Amino acid sequence: GQQLNQSPQSMFIQEGEDVSMNCTSSSIFNTWLWYKQDPGEGPVLLIALYKAGELTSNGRLTAQFGITRKDSFLNISASIPSDVGIYFCAGRGNRDDKIIFGKGTRLHILP
Amino acid sequence: SAVISQKPSRDICQRGTSLTIQCQVDSQVTMMFWYRQQPGQSLTLIATANQGSEATYESGFVIDKFPISRPNLTFSTLTVSNMSPEDSSIYLCSVVSGRETQYFGPGTRLLVL
Repeated sequence: GQQLNQSPQSMFIQEGEDVSMNCTSSSIFNTWLWYKQDPGEGPVLLIALYKAGELTSNGRLTAQFGITRKDSFLNISASIPSDVGIYFCAGRGNRDDKIIFGKGTRLHILP
Repeated sequence: SAVISQKPSRDICQRGTSLTIQCQVDSQVTMMFWYRQQPGQSLTLIATANQGSEATYESGFVIDKFPISRPNLTFSTLTVSNMSPEDSSIYLCSVVSGRETQYFGPGTRLLVL
């Protein structure tokens, strides 16, 4: 079945640094989604990507849908303390397919 | 987008009891899902809640343990039956809205003693 590999599993950075995380798939996806989850909360959609090569920004966040349709990355520029949390990528193949989640990237910001 | 609310937001329950979680969406949606997220883990799909018919369960989840209702296009319930400590998790309602984009509710945090 389809699998998503998300990396890194966790990151420890200084406030103000840029962050990059990515997901790769064993098969082609037609939709990529990036979520952030704060402790004790549900995942919140950050960016949705629908077309290969698409590059979309949401404030300090930028995500891209890979040309091969098997990967996506999320960048966060100039990190701030509220960026702490778990970031999940998710992908869907065909329209009626269920979305597949990565295992998450845990972002920690050092004081 | 879709705005999703869940009740209760959290609960502490005794083993052997059952808890029903409600999910309300602010607009009519065709596809509604229930997920479980165990501590420190990713999200696992329990079932797809189908309006007017029985839910479709994923491997490892059965109707007797997780009965689901979907009486209309804006509401669903998930019951966690005969609970054990292993059922302690966050339970999340999710819908597809707009351009095939999936949104999540705030979750129900369940602790079974």
